[in-house]
Amino acid sequence: DIVMTQSPDSLPVSLGERATINCRSSQNILYDANNRNYLAWYQHKAGQSPKLLIYWASTRESGVPDRFSGSGSGTDFTLTISSLQAEDAAIYYCQQYHTIPYTFGQGTRLEI
Amino acid sequence: EVELVASGGAVVRPGGSLRLSCAPSGFTLNNFAMHWVRQPPGKRLEWVSLISWDGKTSYYADSVKGRFIISRDNNRNSLFLQMKNLTHEDSAFYYCARDAVGLGWPDFWGQGTQVTVSS
Repeated sequence: DIVMTQSPDSLPVSLGERATINCRSSQNILYDANNRNYLAWYQHKAGQSPKLLIYWASTRESGVPDRFSGSGSGTDFTLTISSLQAEDAAIYYCQQYHTIPYTFGQGTRLEI
Repeated sequence: EVELVASGGAVVRPGGSLRLSCAPSGFTLNNFAMHWVRQPPGKRLEWVSLISWDGKTSYYADSVKGRFIISRDNNRNSLFLQMKNLTHEDSAFYYCARDAVGLGWPDFWGQGTQVTVSS
């Protein structure tokens, strides 16, 4: 199975600051045939269902604020949240969909 | 408004069985592949199973293979997860989720249902 590892586990930040969450996959999740990285990012708030933020590593889901951005390729990826808002407090997960079984990172708790 | 409503979660004894259901509103299930994803208490999200839009192809995590069966009834606009031989490790919040492209990422998640395996 592809192991997804996020860092840090928790990230204390202040309003208006930038947050950077890293995700590393144990195998390359770039598919050469279409040059796409099979990685998604989700935001999970307590008592709610997870919400898709980013897919193909860097494509923002419709309706997601542009302060959320994804980057990276191959095995190393980053979710950046610029100018943090209070409502961004949540746990963030990366997920690979390159190979079944799909796997998630352990989550990064963003504390504002 | 688009919604996915999961139901059927309960407290069940080890070795028992349970059937989860998931019903959408605001969209038609038969256009989409569907996932089940679970989250044990205090642990990361764990992908469980995926079924194609027409129900002909399904995939499972190794931890549930041979014990769980994913199915769907497009005529009734419903998704199911039949679980048997349940163990404590199956205790989790179970989410149904819609797939974005067919064999890809979940793009919309339901509110989930709680399964507790306890003697």
